[in-house]
Order: sequence, then structure tokens, then C-alpha cells
Amino acid sequence: EAQVTQNPRYLITVTGKKLTVTCSQNMNHEYMSWYRQDPGLGLRQIYYSMNVEVTDKGDVPEGYKVSRKEKRNFPLILESPSPNQTSLYFCASSYSTGTSRYEQYFGPGTRLTVT
Amino acid sequence: QQQVKQSPQSLIVQKGGISIINCAYENTAFDYFPWYQQFPGKGPALLIAIRPDVSEKKEGRFTISFNKSAKQFSLHIMDSQPGDSATYFCAASRISGGGADGLTFGKGTHLIIQP
Repeated sequence: EAQVTQNPRYLITVTGKKLTVTCSQNMNHEYMSWYRQDPGLGLRQIYYSMNVEVTDKGDVPEGYKVSRKEKRNFPLILESPSPNQTSLYFCASSYSTGTSRYEQYFGPGTRLTVT
Repeated sequence: QQQVKQSPQSLIVQKGGISIINCAYENTAFDYFPWYQQFPGKGPALLIAIRPDVSEKKEGRFTISFNKSAKQFSLHIMDSQPGDSATYFCAASRISGGGADGLTFGKGTHLIIQP
């Protein structure tokens, strides 16, 4: 089954404690992206990757890091989480050319709470 | 600066009625306009999309109407059903130019179809 998986699905942590949210896709997609979803603000892009070892900032990158060492994986790293990073996070993937790049497949989401 | 404005924030429609969600964009370089549907506890999923070379696209009960001069596009759901109850996001992007532009999302519309 073609899918994007994220782990963990739910996470409660404390300010300053480093954490990683994993994302993996099995569709051989080149393009991967992280979004955060907040009430009243919709979906905002954090980082994206056009392919292995190629990453770039989205609209709200502050406080986040990413890496793309393998095509299928795109982890999101919060080195020193703060309460304003409490949010619902989505990983997405797609092919990288033409309209296919915008036919993004989203993971099920990770609900993060930082206290 | 919000580049894609979506309205209404929430919408209640009776079963069998027509649901209409509107979006307006500012960037005239946008040339791809998808709609995503999100059910509770799930990631968004692509529903339907349109390019600006056509004024309307229909897929089953879902229709996108596009007005290039007004920089507006809308989603119409005909014969709305309780199973259509979800959050809908419009989005826009620029495909031409081969850049790495991501999707710019509207803030979402929470649609409830009453039986």
C-alpha cells in the first residue's frame, strides 16, 4: 500500500528536550515536505526537500531542522522545542516534476505538545 | 501577507444542498489551484485541481470554478452528503519556471453536512 508514515503520532514533551519526528514514504517520491497545521492558520510549510541531500526552508523554518540522507526518509528535528511549537505536524511527499509535484500525499499527522 | 484567502471559515449545509467555498489569490504568477480534503484525524488528500487555462473542472459532485480576471476560484459540492463533512483547503502554486515553489494554502473551511 502506497503511504506516508509518521512516528510518533502523539508526543508530549518539555521545553528544551530535543526530539525527532520521523517520516517515511514507500512511493519513491523525490519531493518531501513538512507542514504544521494550527487553528485559524491553515497549513504552513516548514522545510522541503527536492531530493536526497537537497533541502530548503519553507515559510516557517525557525526552530526546526531536517535532513534527507535517504530518498524515503525525511525526519524533522526540534533541537530545543518551545511551547509555540505545539502543533499538528504533517509530512508529505510527491513526484518532483510538473503538476505531480503538487499532488502531495500526506501522512497521518503528529500531534506535538510542548509544556 | 496572506496570498490565498479562503472563506467561509465554517459552513453548515443541509443534506442534498450545494456547498460553496471561495478562495481569492494575489500572486498572478500562480498557475495551479488544487483543493485538499481533510477528515478528522487524517492528513489532507488531494480532491481536485485546476489550471487557469480552463474556467471550470468537474469530477463527480465536485466542481472548481475559476475566474482568472477576478483572481478567484471556488469549490462547489453538489448534492452534499454527510460523508462530505470535512475541512477543505484551497491552495495555489506556480508550476511554470521549474522552481521549487511549494503550495500556498488557504486557512481552511470546516464543512458540516446536516442529515
